[in-house]
Amino acid sequence: QVQLQESGPGLVKPSQTLSLTCTVSGGSISSGGYYWSWIRQHPGKGLEWIGYIYYSGSTYYNPSLKSRVTISVDTSKNQFSLKLSSVTAADTAVYYCARGSSSFPGWFDPWGQGTLVTVSS
Amino acid sequence: DIVMTQTPLSLSVTPGQPASISCKSSQSLLHSDGKTYLYWYLQKPGQPPQLLIYEVSNRFSGVPDRFSGSGSGTDFTLKISRVEAEDVGVYYCMQSIQLPYTFGQGTKLEIK
Repeated sequence: QVQLQESGPGLVKPSQTLSLTCTVSGGSISSGGYYWSWIRQHPGKGLEWIGYIYYSGSTYYNPSLKSRVTISVDTSKNQFSLKLSSVTAADTAVYYCARGSSSFPGWFDPWGQGTLVTVSS
Repeated sequence: DIVMTQTPLSLSVTPGQPASISCKSSQSLLHSDGKTYLYWYLQKPGQPPQLLIYEVSNRFSGVPDRFSGSGSGTDFTLKISRVEAEDVGVYYCMQSIQLPYTFGQGTKLEIK
């Protein structure tokens, strides 16, 4: 079955750019009917949807982060990526990647295990 | 953004007893296509969230039938008919009728 795995630095300095990659296995990121999302969870807090990308490259970002977020896809590597610029301590969170369904907006399955990114000097 | 408000924020339940979580949205989640875009997720300790219920009342594959969802418009409920130890975690409702998708604050379920 499809599995997702996040990877990237666990520590990022303030004002720098956070970069994470989600590797998809067990299925093709180019298969239609799915969109690929990033969701984060601040320590001990709830969930915040960051944005998504279709394999075609079309994206939608949460307006609260839009000016700082870029999500891209590399179909040749079966990966999609998140870049968040000008980070501050408020961006410290566990970042999850998840597969969404275009037929059922809001349907996220599966999820990656999540990766903790700490913003600190 | 649509605000999702869950109550209670925590509950402690004896195994075998029922549990109920309420979720209210700041706008109707009923779409013109007739569907209501309300989802429930469970985040077990140390794990990512997992899909429980989609479109108000449809159980996701593998979800036990002791879980049920109901509601309409702006008021929704997740019920567990008989709580088991494996049900501990934080339950989140989420709306997907409007971007950005937004989640409730979460309801932490503990076992007495």
